[in-house]
Amino acid sequence: DTGVSQNPRHKITKRGQNVTFRCDPISEHNRLYWYRQTLGQGPEFLTYFQNEAQLEKSRLLSDRFSAERPKGSFSTLEIQRTEQGDSAMYLCASSLGAAFNQPQHFGDGTRLSIL
Amino acid sequence: AQTVTQSQPEMSVQEAETVTLSCTYDTSENNYYLFWYKQPPSRQMILVIRQEAYKQQNATENRFSVNFQKAAKSFSLKISDSQLGDTAMYFCAFAFEGKLIFGAGTRLAVHP
Repeated sequence: DTGVSQNPRHKITKRGQNVTFRCDPISEHNRLYWYRQTLGQGPEFLTYFQNEAQLEKSRLLSDRFSAERPKGSFSTLEIQRTEQGDSAMYLCASSLGAAFNQPQHFGDGTRLSIL
Repeated sequence: AQTVTQSQPEMSVQEAETVTLSCTYDTSENNYYLFWYKQPPSRQMILVIRQEAYKQQNATENRFSVNFQKAAKSFSLKISDSQLGDTAMYFCAFAFEGKLIFGAGTRLAVHP
């Protein structure tokens, strides 16, 4: 069990640029989640996958955000035309089965800073 | 809508003492799970303890235990024999429809 891996750890970019983050879940976990955490707040749910299917998207996930999980393994989260308000820590988590009966395991996160 | 409230933004405790972190939640569901997660300064969220709502017995994990009051929708975390390594942000979370809903967190500082 190598844990949930996220890359990059830090991303600094100019407003208006596109960014992509990657998450590699624990290998046998079929559920993968994305959360956003701003300073001093708890994580907020963005979206989750069961295998390759994206089952739910939060209203926080505007049309500038897109997430994929091809082949049900790693996932990518892309933000297009970044804005100042996108600055946050983006957390990925994975679990074996539904959250209500299996705990989620989190990665270290990707910190995004928009200049 | 499901909500989670942590009313203590910051707490401090002396090493070896006991501290209790508060959490309340609101839901109309009857069957659910509650979690406490710890986020040390390194930022990786770590599961501390979980409670199944249909179980009356309070969960315990070594020095960590919960006081789960279902009728009051309260889910507090007690840390006994606090250690310097317990210094972290602590988040209470409610599991709903395949996702976690987190409170705003309590920053705990353990002092020598």
